[in-house]
Amino acid sequence: QQPVQSPQAVILREGEDAVINCSSSKALYSVHWYRQKHGEAPVFLMILLKGGEQKGHEKISASFNEKKQQSSLYLTASQLSYSGTYFCGTEANNAGNMLTFGGGTRLMVKP
Amino acid sequence: NAGVMQNPRHLVRRRGQEARLRCSPMKGHSHVYWYRQLPEEGLKFMVYLQKENIIDESGMPKERFSAEFPKEGPSILRIQQVVRGDSAAYFCASGPGLGLSSTDTQYFGPGTRLTVL
Repeated sequence: QQPVQSPQAVILREGEDAVINCSSSKALYSVHWYRQKHGEAPVFLMILLKGGEQKGHEKISASFNEKKQQSSLYLTASQLSYSGTYFCGTEANNAGNMLTFGGGTRLMVKP
Repeated sequence: NAGVMQNPRHLVRRRGQEARLRCSPMKGHSHVYWYRQLPEEGLKFMVYLQKENIIDESGMPKERFSAEFPKEGPSILRIQQVVRGDSAAYFCASGPGLGLSSTDTQYFGPGTRLTVL
């Protein structure tokens, strides 16, 4: 069963913030975030392991609430280059190296 | 260090023909994952392989699709007797197979875009 991402799409002006959520019905070991631009391969952004950690990558950060089986990706002061589709990939506790991807969140940043 | 390589990048086939998609994992990676992506949709898992072994093929259609990862050479996803519904982007990802952890993840190749006429 794939994780549920919300929102499905969001439009921002440059400099605005956004939050993308990823929820799973399974107990999770890790959450992996990727960004895919149109016609290109998904590019890895970051991993979060169970333990409720929060990580940052430039102005993009993420959190993982293991108890709620949820992860959120935070985009602050968005730039045009942030446009794309964001996917979360979840690894269940017993998945053994396998990721299940959400349906994606389409982000468009306008000037 | 070369990344994940896939070829061809674009493949056009007529209905009933065979399609062969190749994937060479990143150096040092022994595990390969194949995904299918329809336009404007997410990544659907197909099959997970390591050298000479299929770990999980729960996402593979029961007919016409097969995958292998031989001891030597790239992983191959084979689609026999293609139909229009097979048109999609097929992505391969590779990983170290040590257990996804804070040090590694799955890295994607550029994909093969299959068009069935």
